[in-house]
Amino acid sequence: EDQVTQSPEALRLQEGESSSLNCSYTVSGLRGLFWYRQDPGKGPEFLFTLYSAGEEKEKERLKATLTKKESFLHITAPKPEDSATYLCAVLDTGRRALTFGSGTRLQVQP
Amino acid sequence: GAGVSQSPSNKVTEKGKDVELRCDPISGHTALYWYRQSLGQGLEFLIYFQGNSAPDKSGLPSDRFSAERTGGSVSTLTIQRTQQEDSAVYLCASSASAGRETQYFGPGTRLLVL
Repeated sequence: EDQVTQSPEALRLQEGESSSLNCSYTVSGLRGLFWYRQDPGKGPEFLFTLYSAGEEKEKERLKATLTKKESFLHITAPKPEDSATYLCAVLDTGRRALTFGSGTRLQVQP
Repeated sequence: GAGVSQSPSNKVTEKGKDVELRCDPISGHTALYWYRQSLGQGLEFLIYFQGNSAPDKSGLPSDRFSAERTGGSVSTLTIQRTQQEDSAVYLCASSASAGRETQYFGPGTRLLVL
């Protein structure tokens, strides 16, 4: 059974204080790892897809990396508008549905 | 272009009533998914459509839940005889195909069963 564990559950940063969110996973065969951002009362917003170990993707202050066991979402010099819940999900071989972690609630204080 | 849309945004119903939730996917997307997000829990898969057929219904929690998709586009999730534990946000997503393509989510329908 696929498992996705995200840590920490919650993270409070000062504006400009860089940090990383972790997503560890167990799958039979990884077809893709996805990062989403979810604001309160809204649906998840797509950020990145990673397909193989060693792959990296960047967008503004965010950078996602992937190994065979985990993925990191690095946030460089965050701003208050980066405050949200960040969700990690995996797509396993033979499945069509994503398996999600429980998310990391990020709060960036000015 | 337009994203995934869902209606209604919010639905309050009484226990025992039936509800219908609608999802309009991104134009041209052949795959459509329903998920449920309960308070304090992660997103839980319900059902997946490829075109009008549903190859994977494994996530539907009981036979009170059903879904259909017509014309390879709009989908309706129906919950019969609603229970309080059905209260959740119901999210719909679509993707260009059912391979590794990214799933794009709608804003969700917030269902409250009194």
